[in-house]
Amino acid sequence: AQSVTQLGSHVSVSEGALVLLRCNYSSSVPPYLFWYVQYPNQGLQLLLKYTTGATLVKGINGFEAEFKKSETSFHLTKPSAHMSDAAEYFCAVRPSSGYSTLTFGKGTMLLVSP
Amino acid sequence: EAQVTQNPRYLITVTGKKLTVTCSQNMNHEYMSWYRQDPGLGLRQIYYSMNVEVTDKGDVPEGYKVSRKEKRNFPLILESPSPNQTSLYFCASSLSRGLGVNTEAFFGQGTRLTVV
Repeated sequence: AQSVTQLGSHVSVSEGALVLLRCNYSSSVPPYLFWYVQYPNQGLQLLLKYTTGATLVKGINGFEAEFKKSETSFHLTKPSAHMSDAAEYFCAVRPSSGYSTLTFGKGTMLLVSP
Repeated sequence: EAQVTQNPRYLITVTGKKLTVTCSQNMNHEYMSWYRQDPGLGLRQIYYSMNVEVTDKGDVPEGYKVSRKEKRNFPLILESPSPNQTSLYFCASSLSRGLGVNTEAFFGQGTRLTVV
């Protein structure tokens, strides 16, 4: 069984400030971890993913995330928020073995103010 | 271009009138699934398919049917839609046992369904 918890349904930052979106997971087998972004009226776009290897992964648009096994976390960060980052962000997990059932968190809406 | 195509993008229908939302992918993926997205609930899986003629229930299958007669297509069928099925629906596909880099799911653009 697997599950994902995203802390905070809404996060507000000022333009230029650090973005931190939290994700914790539970999984009975080693997981693959993903962050997806959804802009208004659009589908989901992959931001970044962790499968194996380096635990700090870089994605598109300046985002990165670090896999911390001891904390079962995969928090998403960006050093400096831009107005165009305003969107909903979803953390997701799937098992590294077996079939591809992807389980999503409930999402975090990122609001960026000028 | 690799893509997942859903149709229609928007649909308004009446209670009880059967409808089908189509989903097609051109990446030769084995695994396909349907999700519904509702405010505050994230994405919840409705049904998934691991290959042709192999389908199984996800977390919220009630009121839905699917079929997988061809690898590329995975339609979602609502035999008798009800207002509580008003939602945003996404189709996704991926390799079944993707290893390493080939692990992510690709999503369609979504279908916004309103049942009145």
